[in-house]
Amino acid sequence: EIVLTQSPGTLSLSPGERATLSCRASQSVSSSYLAWYQQKPGQAPRLLIYGASSRATGIPDRFSGSGSGTDFTLTISRLEPKDFAVYYCQQYGSSPLTFGGGTKVEIK
Amino acid sequence: EVQLVESGGGLVQPGGSLKLSCAASGFIFSGSAMHWVRQASGKGLEWVGHIGNKAKSYATAYAASVKGRFTISRDDSKNTAYLQMNTLKTEDTAVYYCTSRGDGGDTPYWGQGTLVTVSS
Repeated sequence: EIVLTQSPGTLSLSPGERATLSCRASQSVSSSYLAWYQQKPGQAPRLLIYGASSRATGIPDRFSGSGSGTDFTLTISRLEPKDFAVYYCQQYGSSPLTFGGGTKVEIK
Repeated sequence: EVQLVESGGGLVQPGGSLKLSCAASGFIFSGSAMHWVRQASGKGLEWVGHIGNKAKSYATAYAASVKGRFTISRDDSKNTAYLQMNTLKTEDTAVYYCTSRGDGGDTPYWGQGTLVTVSS
């Protein structure tokens, strides 16, 4: 089982600032099957990034993903008020699917 | 357009059973592995189990927390996957999602989820 570790647990930033979220895997993620999701209370996870760096349909370009192997990063270039939420990484290349514990991006 | 639609959630007593469905469209369902994931209120995402395609002999695998109580099946003629949940416990209360990346695809698709509440 691939264990995903997200850091930091909480990120306190102001609107307009840059957010950098990390996701580290215990072993190499197959074919970069690494996704990032945004989740707000009471809502289903919203796919932001798949294949480590491809933006999902309708996702603004202030969201970008990078990395390969065991180290992945989600960057939000300029935070907007609607971006404050919890973010999860997921590997979906092998079973069991696994998820990081989440990073909460909160308003400073 | 890919769609996954879960149904069948509701309120059930501890020890009871419930069967969830996941209706798929917009991709080659018969060639795709299907997964179930759940999320308890205020908690993270937890993989529940999966079922492979015919080429994988419809092999199933389950999380330790549900093994022996939950069963995943599929009906390729109906493009539908199922999650049969037996001997339900209060800790099974969660929103249940089905997810798949299709047949060799690289995009993970999710349904909107269905809420299962186990309570007396």
